[in-house]
Amino acid sequence: EAQVTQNPRYLITVTGKKLTVTCSQNMNHEYMSWYRQDPGLGLRQIYYSMNVEVTDKGDVPEGYKVSRKEKRNFPLILESPSPNQTSLYFCASTLGTANTGELFFGEGSRLTVL
Amino acid sequence: GENVEQHPSTLSVQEGDSAVIKCTYSDSASNYFPWYKQELGKRPQLIIDIRSNVGEKKDQRIAVTLNKTAKHFSLHITETQPEDSAVYFCAASGPSGSARQLTFGSGTQLTVLP
Repeated sequence: EAQVTQNPRYLITVTGKKLTVTCSQNMNHEYMSWYRQDPGLGLRQIYYSMNVEVTDKGDVPEGYKVSRKEKRNFPLILESPSPNQTSLYFCASTLGTANTGELFFGEGSRLTVL
Repeated sequence: GENVEQHPSTLSVQEGDSAVIKCTYSDSASNYFPWYKQELGKRPQLIIDIRSNVGEKKDQRIAVTLNKTAKHFSLHITETQPEDSAVYFCAASGPSGSARQLTFGSGTQLTVLP
């Protein structure tokens, strides 16, 4: 089954404690991305990756890091989480061609930073 | 960069009535406009999309219209049913023309009343 898998789905942590949210896709997609969803703000892009070892900032990259060592994995790293990073996070992937339309989302990871 | 505004933020309709959600975009180079539906607690999923060389596209009870001159596009849902209740997001691609560089609207919570 084609899917994007995120872990953990739910996490409560404290300010400053480093955490990683993993994302894996089994569709051989070149492009992967992270979004955060906040009430009234929609989905905002954090980072994206066009291919292995190619990453770039989205609209709200501050406080986050990513890496793309393998095609299937795109982890999101919060080195020193703060309460304003409390949010619902979605990983997504799609083929890298310009004519492909669908963005496939993971099930989401709800993060609370106390 | 691209800016997408979406209205209304909430919409309630009686079952069987029509619902219309409108979005405007800022980048005249945008040429791909998808709509995503997010049911409560679920991931966003693509329901329909339109490219800038087309003015209207239909898929059963849903349709999307695009006015390039005015830089706005709309989602139309006819004969609404309770299962249409969800958050709907519009998005614009920017010059990429694909799902790789989407900017999302802030979302519309649609409630279909029985």
